[in-house]
Amino acid sequence: DQQVKQNSPSLSVQEGRISILNCDYTNSMFDYFLWYKKYPAEGPTFLISISSIKDKNEDGRFTVFLNKSAKHLSLHIVPSQPGDSAVYFCAASAQFTGNQFYFGTGTSLTVIP
Amino acid sequence: KAGVTQTPRYLIKTRGQQVTLSCSPISGHRSVSWYQQTPGQGLQFLFEYFSETQRNKGNFPGRFSGRQFSNSRSEMNVSTLELGDSALYLCATSKTSASSTDTQYFGPGTRLTVL
Repeated sequence: DQQVKQNSPSLSVQEGRISILNCDYTNSMFDYFLWYKKYPAEGPTFLISISSIKDKNEDGRFTVFLNKSAKHLSLHIVPSQPGDSAVYFCAASAQFTGNQFYFGTGTSLTVIP
Repeated sequence: KAGVTQTPRYLIKTRGQQVTLSCSPISGHRSVSWYQQTPGQGLQFLFEYFSETQRNKGNFPGRFSGRQFSNSRSEMNVSTLELGDSALYLCATSKTSASSTDTQYFGPGTRLTVL
């Protein structure tokens, strides 16, 4: 049962444009969400997080939006750069049930120079 | 500071064998979680260890087991290997296990191939 879903396996964007990566979840108990970036032959690295008390969190070129009613979050990258080409995973957890994260299947982003 | 290290990086085994993977956390990190990554399933949580105790367990058969040592290093064991166990096994470490907001740092993974 996939509680966190990333329905787009891949995305291609021109350099300088906006990249929008989407993630849906089914468990209404999830209250903490993260995005990780993964390059080949490396482990995922933490990118940005958001708590359910917020609907937006920004860190430089990266912004995560949370729509709790739709159980949907998205990651915006503006402007996109070739170095952003990687696989992006979203993850979610329910804080009071412990430190287990549920991950999506990933979206492979390619930024075309 | 040194990151999370996993050994070995690559492993080839045959069906029925067993395998042990190792994860050394960042200094000061006491929580170690293990994940299995496959193309169709993404990252699936296996289990988490904190202060030598298994704290959480995912939905995997008993062939998958682990342990944690007093220095926080962790090992994962898979017995009676099956073809479907071929995957990238990732460990992630964090300072504490008390809060789900604690950032997890991942190692590079061990690529296991079962023939």
